[in-house]
Amino acid sequence: NAGVTQTPKFQVLKTGQSMTLQCAQDMNHNSMYWYRQDPGMGLRLIYYSASEGTTDKGEVPNGYNVSRLNKREFSLRLESAAPSQTSVYFCASSGLAAAYEQYFGPGTRLTVT
Amino acid sequence: TQLLEQSPQFLSIQEGENLTVYCNSSSVFSSLQWYRQEPGEGPVLLVTVVTGGEVKKLKRLTFQFGDARKDSSLHITAAQPGDTGLYLCAGLTGANSKLTFGKGITLSVRP
Repeated sequence: NAGVTQTPKFQVLKTGQSMTLQCAQDMNHNSMYWYRQDPGMGLRLIYYSASEGTTDKGEVPNGYNVSRLNKREFSLRLESAAPSQTSVYFCASSGLAAAYEQYFGPGTRLTVT
Repeated sequence: TQLLEQSPQFLSIQEGENLTVYCNSSSVFSSLQWYRQEPGEGPVLLVTVVTGGEVKKLKRLTFQFGDARKDSSLHITAAQPGDTGLYLCAGLTGANSKLTFGKGITLSVRP
């Protein structure tokens, strides 16, 4: 099992460009999440999907959109990138265990110039 | 908004020393999780505590959930350089499937 995979691993964008971050999990988990991690800010939830077909905003959703393509895949789209979106992005998934323990991907390091 | 405060923010110690770090909140959590993150990688789950007063051990790491389920501590005995990393605590309120993460504790263990 690969667990949670993310592509790409690194990306450099210019202000105003768009891109989609891809995430897939092979653990048959219902819930999937997108976080961003910035120095001194910890992990902040952007969007999450509690189950296939549903998505909800997290703490910092502005400037992002998501698609839960199927049970395995959850993508994050930046329509018009801004320097403030320079960050490390993590995708995570969790099953139906009572504690919603999360399994993280390796991250995408995004720089917007 | 539930906040989880972790302390200290940074800790640099010598190999072999013991240490305790904390995760505190004014909110009650149905469970609390600890993760460790190494540079360039995603966080990895270490433990989940669910019952107030619960103590769990993972080799040299001892985790405790406060009696009121508002706080937790992590004690490391005889720290080793391999313990170096960012330690994150995360709480679940039970209202939905979202976790609230603390900002983390950066631990450096010098050989």
